[in-house]
Parts: sequence; C-alpha cells; structure tokens
Amino acid sequence: DAGVTQSPTHLIKTRGQHVTLRCSPISGHKSVSWYQQVLGQGPQFIFQYYEKEERGRGNFPDRFSARQFPNYSSELNVNALLLGDSALYLCASSLTGAATGELFFGEGSRLTVL
Amino acid sequence: QQQVKQSPQSLIVQKGGISIINCAYENTAFDYFPWYQQFPGKGPALLIAIRPDVSEKKEGRFTISFNKSAKQFSLHIMDSQPGDSATYFCAASNSGNTPLVFGKGTRLSVIA
Repeated sequence: DAGVTQSPTHLIKTRGQHVTLRCSPISGHKSVSWYQQVLGQGPQFIFQYYEKEERGRGNFPDRFSARQFPNYSSELNVNALLLGDSALYLCASSLTGAATGELFFGEGSRLTVL
Repeated sequence: QQQVKQSPQSLIVQKGGISIINCAYENTAFDYFPWYQQFPGKGPALLIAIRPDVSEKKEGRFTISFNKSAKQFSLHIMDSQPGDSATYFCAASNSGNTPLVFGKGTRLSVIA
C-alpha cells in the first residue's frame, strides 16, 4: 500500500510569492495534518483536517491556509512568502481525527524562500 | 512557550550501549506520549508510545519510562546499533484533541 505522498518534494520560491503544497493520505485515512519543520527543530503543528472540516489550527499567520478535498487529499497554501517560511513541510494522515492516534508522515516538501 | 523540552540535543553511543533521551512536559492535560524516529530525507515514523496509566512500556530494544509526578518521560534504546542512528522526537497530546506537540529532537549517532 502507498504511504502518504507529498508533492512537490523540493521547490524554490522568492519572497512575496505564493506556494501550494499537496498531500495524498493513506487510503482509508480521513484525517490530514500539516506540520512545519525548520532545520534542527521538531515539527510544529499548522493545521488538521478531518472529513473535510478544519479540526485545529496552530499558531501560524493567516498567510497559511489549507483545505481537504472529498477524496481526503489536502493542499497547504502559503501567501506572501517570507524568508522564515523556508522549511520542510510535512503532511501526516491518520485513520481518525483523534490527537492520540498514530500519525503517518510523508517525506515532506522542502521549501526554500530566497 | 515550549511545551515539551527534550535533551540532549545530540548523543553519541557505542554500538551495544544504552541510549537514553529525556523529555519533560508542562501541560498536565497531556495523556499520550509517543516517540518518533526520523531518518535523513524521511518523515518521522512512530516508534513507541505510552499513556500515563503505566510507568513503563517495552517493545523490543525500545523502552519508554514515564514519571507522571515529575512530568517526565524517557526513551531507552538497549543494545544500540548503527542502524538506530537517526533523530528522535518526543511528543505529547491529549484526548481533548490538542494536536501533537513535538520536542526539538535528539540526533543519535551509534558508532561501531
């Protein structure tokens, strides 16, 4: 079975641009979470979606938005990119939306903002 | 405010030795404490998890010890192997759906 797939794997943007990152969860998983991992740090929670509804939002500015589609795939959008947005963006899926369930992470999308 | 503090930042252990990584948390509502393992270029993967109703959980060479009164938990890797070289993250969440909060990670290197 395919694991969590993310695209693109790497991308380079300039300040002020917009980026869209995509995630396909494991088949049967209805929850998708997005995490930002800055180099040398642990993943930091951005969003969780369950059954296409936002379940939670971390301490990120409104420039960050996300959505989940009827097939449970998800997009993370970041507007007006800043240098500090450079990071590995991880998508994780889980069977349920429970915060105490196992998260299955993809390999991430590495964003570099110049 | 860092809700989960992890130490050490890096660790070098001889092959066959015991690796110990410690975490402390602040939020007494946390009731789920997983450890994730991350290899370079990969996403984190769940290694082992514990809930506060037990003080220890063992899976193979990996053991979590949990001290509720001290609000601390630790990961012990017995008979450490070079293949265990990775970054380890402790995390915490609660059944009230507070999402997983991760520590900053420990880079483990197991040398032969």
